[in-house]
Amino acid sequence: DAMVIQNPRYQVTQFGKPVTLSCSQTLNHNVMYWYQQKSSQAPKLLFHYYDKDFNNEADTPDNFQSRRPNTSFCFLDIRSPGLGDAAMYLCATSRATTGNEQFFGPGTRLTVL
Amino acid sequence: AQSVAQPEDQVNVAEGNPLTVKCTYSVSGNPYLFWYVQYPNRGLQFLLKYITGDNLVKGSYGFEAEFNKSQTSFHLKKPSALVSDSALYFCAVRAKPLYGGATNKLIFGTGTLLAVQP
Repeated sequence: DAMVIQNPRYQVTQFGKPVTLSCSQTLNHNVMYWYQQKSSQAPKLLFHYYDKDFNNEADTPDNFQSRRPNTSFCFLDIRSPGLGDAAMYLCATSRATTGNEQFFGPGTRLTVL
Repeated sequence: AQSVAQPEDQVNVAEGNPLTVKCTYSVSGNPYLFWYVQYPNRGLQFLLKYITGDNLVKGSYGFEAEFNKSQTSFHLKKPSALVSDSALYFCAVRAKPLYGGATNKLIFGTGTLLAVQP
């Protein structure tokens, strides 16, 4: 089945220790998104890629970076995680055509000690 | 400004009864509206969307939603609730691009927790 895969599902890191979260998709979608979700709140968009074009949200901290080496993979790098960065991180994809829904991965729950 | 409101933090309903989860929106132009469901420790699952056409949209798992332009609402409904429907439900609207072009960025509501009692 075509899907969005996130690894790992659970990640524990130490305060200030860089961490990378991974997302891959078999849907061949142009657009990939990264969201942060805290405590059953609405997902907050961090950034998205439209093909290779990176689009950062204005309020995304510099501590968060992303890479998309090819269509299938996208990475979220947190350079110096703080306690406030503990959250669920969701990856999603969509076709570029207006009105298409986003398909979400299962998420990675990040714990910062 | 574009926004989505889900006025109820939680909705409680007995199994077998009809359920409604409310959503209102504020956008300029024609809205593209979506409903997603999230089970604990899982990602969001797409339920249904309204782009154009018939105001009553049917989606996954027996859910449907009615687009009402005059009331700027897009309420999610199901005729007979199941205990397994208990989850967090998000309404979303496509964000209108600032400079034109295609985008499927979403603006999410705050979510409504649906609790279905046996």
